Amino acid sequence: DTEVTQTPKHLVMGMTNKKSLKCEQHMGHRAMYWYKQKAKKPPELMFVYSYEKLSINESVPSRFSPECPNSSLLNLHLHALQPEDSALYLCASSQVVENNEQFFGPGTRLTVL
Amino acid sequence: AQTVTQSQPEMSVQEAETVTLSCTYDTSESDYYLFWYKQPPSRQMILVIRQEAYKQQNATENRFSVNFQKAAKSFSLKISDSQLGDAAMYFCAYRRGGMRFGAGTRLTVKP
Repeated sequence: DTEVTQTPKHLVMGMTNKKSLKCEQHMGHRAMYWYKQKAKKPPELMFVYSYEKLSINESVPSRFSPECPNSSLLNLHLHALQPEDSALYLCASSQVVENNEQFFGPGTRLTVL
Repeated sequence: AQTVTQSQPEMSVQEAETVTLSCTYDTSESDYYLFWYKQPPSRQMILVIRQEAYKQQNATENRFSVNFQKAAKSFSLKISDSQLGDAAMYFCAYRRGGMRFGAGTRLTVKP
């Protein structure tokens, strides 16, 4: 199994809702990542987890709350989002943070109304 | 800080021809990794090729090759025998923690 899966594929939420994005990999990777990609822009790194511990937070607003419950699963909890948070959210994984290849999931397209 | 610059927002190539996409980067580190990723309309990010800075030999993957000029901090991607399936956004990236991407180049392949 060499893929990263993300659910849901699409999500529409109001500014007062609480929702979660899920990312899963079964490649035995110990590093996982969240990226945000706005339309016609490159992906921007949000968070890095290494061995289930948060190692990088790129000054992301607290309305985005990551969680890594085990080595295969990465969640992104969303609360009180703004319309400008609408974007494609990409998850990726690699063997370890220092490993050079990242595998990307297909993304979750989020729309905040 | 590390930055990645792609100066060509759009490029076009005739099918079966060769095209080169440009990328420059800035870093104070001596050992690092550089990547080219492809993002087709499906939005799935696909690794095209990678280069380790300490290796002087340019990386090659089938029709894809790079011209890595470490002193000039230049990392261009050459696509030979272009195919319709090569049409996509191409991102140059520098690895530091996570990937740090350039702005991207949209490649169109004309039949």
